Amino acid sequence: GQNIDQPTEMTATEGAIVQINCTYQTSGFNGLFWYQQHAGEAPTFLSYNVLDGLEEKGRFSSFLSRSKGYSYLLLKELQMKDSASYLCAYMDSNYQLIWGAGTKLIIKP
Amino acid sequence: GAVVSQHPSWVICKSGTSVKIECRSLDFQATTMFWYRQFPKQSLMLMATSNEGSKATYEQGVEKDKFLINHASLTLSTLTVTSAHPEDSSFYICSARDLGHSSNRPQHFGDGTRLSIL
Repeated sequence: GQNIDQPTEMTATEGAIVQINCTYQTSGFNGLFWYQQHAGEAPTFLSYNVLDGLEEKGRFSSFLSRSKGYSYLLLKELQMKDSASYLCAYMDSNYQLIWGAGTKLIIKP
Repeated sequence: GAVVSQHPSWVICKSGTSVKIECRSLDFQATTMFWYRQFPKQSLMLMATSNEGSKATYEQGVEKDKFLINHASLTLSTLTVTSAHPEDSSFYICSARDLGHSSNRPQHFGDGTRLSIL
């Protein structure tokens, strides 16, 4: 079956750090993706993890634990433009993306 | 990087009109393209998977006769919303995956089409 969960909404302060968690349950796994989606726009690719560990890309980092079915997206030095929805998705055995519902991140000054 | 072009970006039309949306991969070949629909403040919902040279695979609850998909070449897929009604108003987004099945190639998204049916 398809089961992937992430918080609906999070609030953080400009300049701070925020961690968005994502858990999933699947029998077939080919990697986990994070996308950013601003209101009214299409999603844009942020990161991909297929092996356990942390992948760092500038202010954004993504972590994966396959044994725990767990990933997180870490955003550092938050900026107002980071206000968006963050979507996690895992790729199943058919190479199809299974999407979470998205986490709306609100950045306050 | 890879670019997916989606056209048109905005459509406003009367109820009963059929609307065609195009999705093109500009710098790579895509045997598989995906069509999503997203209602306000909701997540992406996969409508169908479009396969070049064969029939599309529709998700449960999506009417194949209403949402016609054609994937005639490795760079173009079209979605036609036939006899559109106000409840079909939504944000439609296509995405494409590189020709290879390497799992480290993400889906690349078009900019989306906002469809408003009056």
